[in-house]
Amino acid sequence: KAGVTQTPRYLIKTRGQQVTLSCSPISGHRSVSWYQQTPGQGLQFLFEYFSETQRNKGNFPGRFSGRQFSNSRSEMNVSTLELGDSALYLCASSPGGGGYYNEQFFGPGTRLTVL
Amino acid sequence: DQQVKQNSPSLSVQEGRISILNCDYTNSMFDYFLWYKKYPAEGPTFLISISSIKDKNEDGRFTVFLNKSAKHLSLHIVPSQPGDSAVYFCAAREGGSEKLVFGKGTKLTVNP
Repeated sequence: KAGVTQTPRYLIKTRGQQVTLSCSPISGHRSVSWYQQTPGQGLQFLFEYFSETQRNKGNFPGRFSGRQFSNSRSEMNVSTLELGDSALYLCASSPGGGGYYNEQFFGPGTRLTVL
Repeated sequence: DQQVKQNSPSLSVQEGRISILNCDYTNSMFDYFLWYKKYPAEGPTFLISISSIKDKNEDGRFTVFLNKSAKHLSLHIVPSQPGDSAVYFCAAREGGSEKLVFGKGTKLTVNP
C-alpha cells in the first residue's frame, strides 16, 4: 500500500497570506489527523476528520481550519499567516472505524516558512 | 501543562548495548501508548505500541514496558544499532480518541 502523501513538501509564504496544505491518507483509511511540529512546542494536535466530519480539535486559533472530502483526502488551511506559524505540518491517517487500538501513520510533512 | 514528558532530551549509547528511553504521563485516562521514531525532515514512523491492559509488548529488538501505577513507560532497544540514531517520541491516547499527545522527544545517538 502507498503511504500517506502530503503536498507540497515545502512552502514559503509572507505574513498575512493564507495557505492550503493537502493530505492523501493510506487507501482504506478514513481518519485523518493534522499535527504541527515546532522546536519549542513539539508535536501538537490540530484536528481530526473522519467521514468528512471534524471529530476532535486541538487548542489552535480559528485561523487554522480543515476539511475532508468523500475520498478521505484532507486539506488544512491557515489564514492570515503569522511568523509563528512556521512549522512542519504533519498529516496522519488511521482506519478510524472504531478499532480501539489503531496506530496512526504519518506522512513526510509540509515545511511551511512564513517570512 | 505537559501531559506526556520525556525528561531526557538526548541519550548516547554504544552499538550493541541496550538503549532505554523513558516517558512519564500524568493523565490517568490515557489507555494506549505508542512510540515513534523520527528522522529530520521526515514524518514520524510508528515503532511499537502498548495498551493499558498489558505491561509489556515486544517486537523484535524493541520492547515497551508500561507501569500504570507509576504512570511510566519505557522503550528498550536491544541490541542498539547505528541506524537507530533518531529522535524518539512517546505518545499517548485516551479512550478511543484518535488524538495523540506527544512528549518532546529524546534524541538517541548510537555510536559505532
